[in-house]
Amino acid sequence: EDQVTQSPEALRLQEGESSSLNCSYTVSGLRGLFWYRQDPGKGPEFLFTLYSAGEEKEKERLKATLTKKESFLHITAPKPEDSATYLCAVRESWGKLQFGAGTQVVVTP
Amino acid sequence: DGGITQSPKYLFRKEGQNVTLSCEQNLNHDAMYWYRQDPGQGLRLIYYSQIVNDFQKGDIAEGYSVSREKKESFPLTVTSAQKNPTAFYLCASSPSGRGLGVEKLFFGSGTQLSVL
Repeated sequence: EDQVTQSPEALRLQEGESSSLNCSYTVSGLRGLFWYRQDPGKGPEFLFTLYSAGEEKEKERLKATLTKKESFLHITAPKPEDSATYLCAVRESWGKLQFGAGTQVVVTP
Repeated sequence: DGGITQSPKYLFRKEGQNVTLSCEQNLNHDAMYWYRQDPGQGLRLIYYSQIVNDFQKGDIAEGYSVSREKKESFPLTVTSAQKNPTAFYLCASSPSGRGLGVEKLFFGSGTQLSVL
């Protein structure tokens, strides 16, 4: 049973075309939701941690939000350098991280 | 610069052969982890270690082995018992021995393992 589901699987955007990625989860006792960025052939790079519903974090053109059932990663006016796979992971009350399969984002000039 | 170094970047395994992936960190982190990444799937935990000379199985430990003799090093051996080893392997670390808490993970750049 999937506990972390990311959608869409892939997203193609024109430069400047804002959009949102979704991470829905079914774990109980959420202790943290993490967003990572992964470039091809590289390890994931940490972006944000969210702990409670209503929390928001921002970094440059990225903004992450959290509700009780899902998180959104909003990309505002993306640039080609924002092209990457974005991973979501949740930590349950008992400890281990559960990763989603990721959303591959391609931003074209 | 502090970080996690994985080597080699690419590795090829022959049938029946054991291979070892290296992971070294100079972040002075207590906890270290090995993940496997397959296309279209989330990262899956193979093994983790919260302190030197101690490690625990993750969700997919069968066919793998690890050691943690030094704080800085956490090598992963892919044994011949692992029948489908082709994947991208990621090593990670987190600051404290309570690594399963709310700490973020720091990742290495990965090793792509393929079967000849």
